[in-house]
Amino acid sequence: RKEVEQDPGPFNVPEGATVAFNCTYSNSASQSFFWYRQDCRKEPKLLMSVYSSGNEDGRFTAQLNRASQYISLLIRDSKLSDSATYLCVVNGAAGNKLTFGGGTRVLVKP
Amino acid sequence: ETGVTQSPTHLIKTRGQQVTLRCSSQSGHNTVSWYQQALGQGPQFIFQYYREEENGRGNFPPRFSGLQFPNYSSELNVNALELDDSALYLCASSLTGLGNTEAFFGQGTRLTVV
Repeated sequence: RKEVEQDPGPFNVPEGATVAFNCTYSNSASQSFFWYRQDCRKEPKLLMSVYSSGNEDGRFTAQLNRASQYISLLIRDSKLSDSATYLCVVNGAAGNKLTFGGGTRVLVKP
Repeated sequence: ETGVTQSPTHLIKTRGQQVTLRCSSQSGHNTVSWYQQALGQGPQFIFQYYREEENGRGNFPPRFSGLQFPNYSSELNVNALELDDSALYLCASSLTGLGNTEAFFGQGTRLTVV
């Protein structure tokens, strides 16, 4: 079983719609959680950290469920520029070793 | 821009050759991590360097090796290149200390092995 698993998609989303997707992780000792965004042939960039109480950054909402070991990302009012691959990232207890999921591809269409 | 720079940006090598990739970390950061990203997959952790010593390693063979220098820049060396080594190699810089900071990625080196 992979340490971090994501639905690869693609999620085809009409512009203005809401899309949500999850990621599961296997290591219950994981300390911190992130969503990164990666555009085609570019490096990953931090979208947002994920906190236990859930957090929101503009149109983006992230949730963490430690009991079920999953995190989620919700995008409201999708823009064409939201088209990208969203990487779920988990940081273990020791050091800054980031474990990435395979990514969820989102395509926002007019 | 993150302040993390990698060189070269693109590279073509022949199977069996050796390659060295370079990374300059962001000012003030003491930790460099290297990742391999094959097409259509998420980045896979290769290893991490903290204060010039290896500080964790992923599931990669010994022909993947690295160095970190006193200025915290780093090199990734791959010997005996194989076709499957073709990938985007990403370097991430961060600060390890009382609290771990966000990791910032360089733009990557795209390696093609033919």
